[in-house]
Amino acid sequence: DAGITQSPRHKVTETGTPVTLRCHQTENHRYMYWYRQDPGHGLRLIHYSYGVKDTDKGEVSDGYSVSRSKTEDFLLTLESATSSQTSVYFCAISTRDRGYEQYFGPGTRLTVT
Amino acid sequence: GIQVEQSPPDLILQEGANSTLRCNFSDSVNNLQWFHQNPWGQLINLFYIPSGTKQNGRLSATTVATERYSLLYISSSQTTDSGVYFCAVEPPGGSQGNLIFGKGTKLSVKP
Repeated sequence: DAGITQSPRHKVTETGTPVTLRCHQTENHRYMYWYRQDPGHGLRLIHYSYGVKDTDKGEVSDGYSVSRSKTEDFLLTLESATSSQTSVYFCAISTRDRGYEQYFGPGTRLTVT
Repeated sequence: GIQVEQSPPDLILQEGANSTLRCNFSDSVNNLQWFHQNPWGQLINLFYIPSGTKQNGRLSATTVATERYSLLYISSSQTTDSGVYFCAVEPPGGSQGNLIFGKGTKLSVKP
């Protein structure tokens, strides 16, 4: 257990509404990541952060934004949710001194109707 | 970009059997990890293994970086080994742990 929590764990929202998912860690890891998991696609990286206020895009960043104002929190925002963003979202952390071994949170199941 | 292919896509075993899962990747990597996603959806890091061999109980992994493949061995399988096994690599030139995942091998262990 790497001390990672995600909230909410489940959410149903309507198309066009904004949604924010939160990832919280308790161990001061520098690197944090957001992935989405869809059937047939495995996990794909959305955005990542390498420090407070330092973020960058991943493979599937369109329609998503992130913020990291504190080491422990990494927020993922869907500015205007679409049905194609229905997915399971995972947060992960890693430490450079362990070769970026990644440890995952429990996931958030998001349904956009 | 780098391609990650896992085989077989599905595998059904009787409890006690051994198995080998394979991960092929299309370019050199300096970061390769194996994960297990249990039937409840939790992702668990099994190995960080960019090269060489590691063992952890009934599981072991070998990566031959020069030939661009990695193998995950499961011995004396148990029903709790069921789930999906993912291989993930960091593309060449990467430096911040950005992983590209394969599509996984779904393992079902029958009692």
